[in-house]
Amino acid sequence: RKEVEQDPGPFNVPEGATVAFNCTYSNSASQSFFWYRQDCRKEPKLLMSVYSSGNEDGRFTAQLNRASQYISLLIRDSKLSDSATYLCVVIPSGGGATNKLIFGTGTLLAVQP
Amino acid sequence: DAGITQSPRHKVTETGTPVTLRCHQTENHRYMYWYRQDPGHGLRLIHYSYGVKDTDKGEVSDGYSVSRSKTEDFLLTLESATSSQTSVYFCAARASGGQETQYFGPGTRLLVL
Repeated sequence: RKEVEQDPGPFNVPEGATVAFNCTYSNSASQSFFWYRQDCRKEPKLLMSVYSSGNEDGRFTAQLNRASQYISLLIRDSKLSDSATYLCVVIPSGGGATNKLIFGTGTLLAVQP
Repeated sequence: DAGITQSPRHKVTETGTPVTLRCHQTENHRYMYWYRQDPGHGLRLIHYSYGVKDTDKGEVSDGYSVSRSKTEDFLLTLESATSSQTSVYFCAARASGGQETQYFGPGTRLLVL
């Protein structure tokens, strides 16, 4: 079983739609969680961190469910510019100073006009 | 943004030849990382550095070596390139002091024939 698993998609949604991605992780002691965004043929960029209490940044909401070991990303009012691959990223227990990130394979979102 | 550049951005080489990829950062970040990205695998850590001359192996280190003689430069060497090392290579950097965000360079596309 992979340490971090995501549905690869693609998720094809119309502009203005709400879309949600889930990601599961296998290490129950994992300590930090993130969503990164990666545009085609570009580098990954941090979208947002995921906190236990849930957090929101504009149209984006991230949530963590430690009991079920998954994190989610909700995008409201989708824009064409949201089209990208969304990477779920986990820092396992003991990541510590070396901060080794474990990446999911990504979920592809295509927002249609 | 950590002002990360990678060189070369694209390279085609033949099996058995040595290849060195360079990562350069301008923000004096302590930690640097090399990843490879392949379809179906997500980003996987090759090697990382936690200071000048301090490096350690990641998840997929076989066939790779690294060096860090200056804070700003982190070199990845394929001693004898193989076709399985055809990939996109990303460098990342992170500040110390509890900062968890890794900033990525633009990537190097390597094709080993």
